[in-house]
Amino acid sequence: GAVVSQHPSWVICKSGTSVKIECRSLDFQATTMFWYRQFPKQSLMLMATSNEGSKATYEQGVEKDKFLINHASLTLSTLTVTSAHPEDSSFYICSAERGQGLLNQPQHFGDGTRLSIL
Amino acid sequence: DQQVKQNSPSLSVQEGRISILNCDYTNSMFDYFLWYKKYPAEGPTFLISISSIKDKNEDGRFTVFLNKSAKHLSLHIVPSQPGDSAVYFCAASAPYNNNDMRFGAGTRLTVKP
Repeated sequence: GAVVSQHPSWVICKSGTSVKIECRSLDFQATTMFWYRQFPKQSLMLMATSNEGSKATYEQGVEKDKFLINHASLTLSTLTVTSAHPEDSSFYICSAERGQGLLNQPQHFGDGTRLSIL
Repeated sequence: DQQVKQNSPSLSVQEGRISILNCDYTNSMFDYFLWYKKYPAEGPTFLISISSIKDKNEDGRFTVFLNKSAKHLSLHIVPSQPGDSAVYFCAASAPYNNNDMRFGAGTRLTVKP
């Protein structure tokens, strides 16, 4: 079964609304979580790396005030798209790595969130 | 419900030999498949893809094979090089679902010199 749960799976809202997406590791502690945005032709862009208990590391060109990331616990990271606009409509995916010290542990992806801004 | 599965978490091969990474999927509506490569602390980078109208796609040392009847695809790397050591993710998408991707759990490939 799924080891990373992403919620909601889809959301439709009006322009100007803030939307929060949750990413949970279900049966392991995830020191590091990643947030991605999928672009046309299945191009995948890393937005930011989320580390538990510290500030997220944003990739170049990603507005940190627009995309707020909080990794408050070892099993939960949230991405909040603030004042969303139609151009923010996309498919957002999170992934989680198991804690340090565990060798050869794969990274698990959530099923993504389809965000549609009207 | 995992629609894309990579059942081998790790694979180790000798330099110069062939690496074969496997991926299975359950959703018959998937029509586009991709392989990504990921190094530690980096996001996955696109490697190679295949459309469901094909059964093989080749790009240099990398070849992806698709068996639609078995809902199975594989990535062949030959010859394998130490720099190929990374985690490889299989992903699939379907047009009915906005072409949103579903990922497997990944396989860590280690190529030994």
